[in-house]
Amino acid sequence: NAGVTQTPKFRVLKTGQSMTLLCAQDMNHEYMYWYRQDPGMGLRLIHYSVGEGTTAKGEVPDGYNVSRLKKQNFLLGLESAAPSQTSVYFCASTQPAGGSYEQYFGPGTRLTVT
Amino acid sequence: GDSVTQMEGPVTLSEEAFLTINCTYTATGYPSLFWYVQYPGEGLQLLLKATKADDKGSNKGFEATYRKETTSFHLEKGSVQVSDSAVYFCALSERDQGAQKLVFGQGTRLTINP
Repeated sequence: NAGVTQTPKFRVLKTGQSMTLLCAQDMNHEYMYWYRQDPGMGLRLIHYSVGEGTTAKGEVPDGYNVSRLKKQNFLLGLESAAPSQTSVYFCASTQPAGGSYEQYFGPGTRLTVT
Repeated sequence: GDSVTQMEGPVTLSEEAFLTINCTYTATGYPSLFWYVQYPGEGLQLLLKATKADDKGSNKGFEATYRKETTSFHLEKGSVQVSDSAVYFCALSERDQGAQKLVFGQGTRLTINP
């Protein structure tokens, strides 16, 4: 049981390039989330999904797109990377049952845009 | 919207010292409350949680009590160890547009010196 995994772990992009970050979970969770972590700002929600085929915007969605074609995978895309998107990206998942809604996090992807 | 404010860091203590990291929240409903810990180079891990007023969450010697009257969820440990050095995040769960989300504080970096 791997939990939540993220690919890649590190990436350097030039301004204007595109890339896709992959998140996979093997816990059969319905909800999945993408966050970015910047110094002194905690984690901010980019996009989330409440089930296969659904996505919704979070707090900071501009410049990102997402897709949830399979229940276990949640992809985050950057169509035209900007230096402001330099950050550490975390994926998380949870199952909406039991009332506590604790989220399980992946190890993160460190992205640098030059 | 809901928000979480936690004690600014960084916090530096000596081994075996008493630890308190303050966390207060603003919420319209009755959220669940969480403390997550992030060790260097890793993702976030759930440390403890409380789902209703007066609940006490505990794990690995850490404790936090859900205080509705003061809207607080302070993290405490009686005797810290070098291995407790990490960044600690307070968070609450909120329901928004049919989805459960976490709202995080900005994080508190804790360093324990031997």
